[in-house]
Amino acid sequence: AQSVTQPDIHITVSEGASLELRCNYSYGATPYLFWYVQSPGQGLQLLLKYFSGDTLVQGIKGFEAEFKRSQSSFNLRKPSVHWSDAAEYFCAVNTGNQFYFGTGTSLTVIP
Amino acid sequence: DAGVTQSPTHLIKTRGQQVTLRCSPKSGHDTVSWYQQALGQGPQFIFQYYEEEERQRGNFPDRFSGHQFPNYSSELNVNALLLGDSALYLCASSFLQGNLIEQYFGPGTRLTVT
Repeated sequence: AQSVTQPDIHITVSEGASLELRCNYSYGATPYLFWYVQSPGQGLQLLLKYFSGDTLVQGIKGFEAEFKRSQSSFNLRKPSVHWSDAAEYFCAVNTGNQFYFGTGTSLTVIP
Repeated sequence: DAGVTQSPTHLIKTRGQQVTLRCSPKSGHDTVSWYQQALGQGPQFIFQYYEEEERQRGNFPDRFSGHQFPNYSSELNVNALLLGDSALYLCASSFLQGNLIEQYFGPGTRLTVT
């Protein structure tokens, strides 16, 4: 069965520090992978996506993610976090028919 | 270009009642998916509509039903509401291009069942 695991429920980082949010997936075929961000009371905004090709993908707001097939991972990174990045982050897998989301990682940014 | 819109923003209902939520997709999109997001959880897929038919369905009971109209807008209906139906209901639209479906989400409808 398809599944997405985000092992970190909550992460706190200082403004200006680097960030890495972990995502592992379980899917038998080549996955389509996504990262979304959700601010309180808002819908989900697409940060970046991986379909094929270069395993390092760039997204909006300075985020990037790297697809590692051998580790079944798609970790999200940002070199320098801004206070406005505080939000909930969701990793998702698209099997072609359905999206499966992880349970999310809540990011707190401290001054 | 308006993105995905949903109405109402918030809704309070009593157990046993019925509710209808509405969604207008992004311009040019023909597919609508509905998700339930319980507090502290990731979105759970309810179902997807394309060409006015339900194409895929997640693990939700028949109390959850939907409809898609010729203009691609969609409704989600929930009958016999339970306390556990309290959640943020998200609508996402996409343009079906083979199996590569990139979704755009609306702001959601917050449903509270008392």
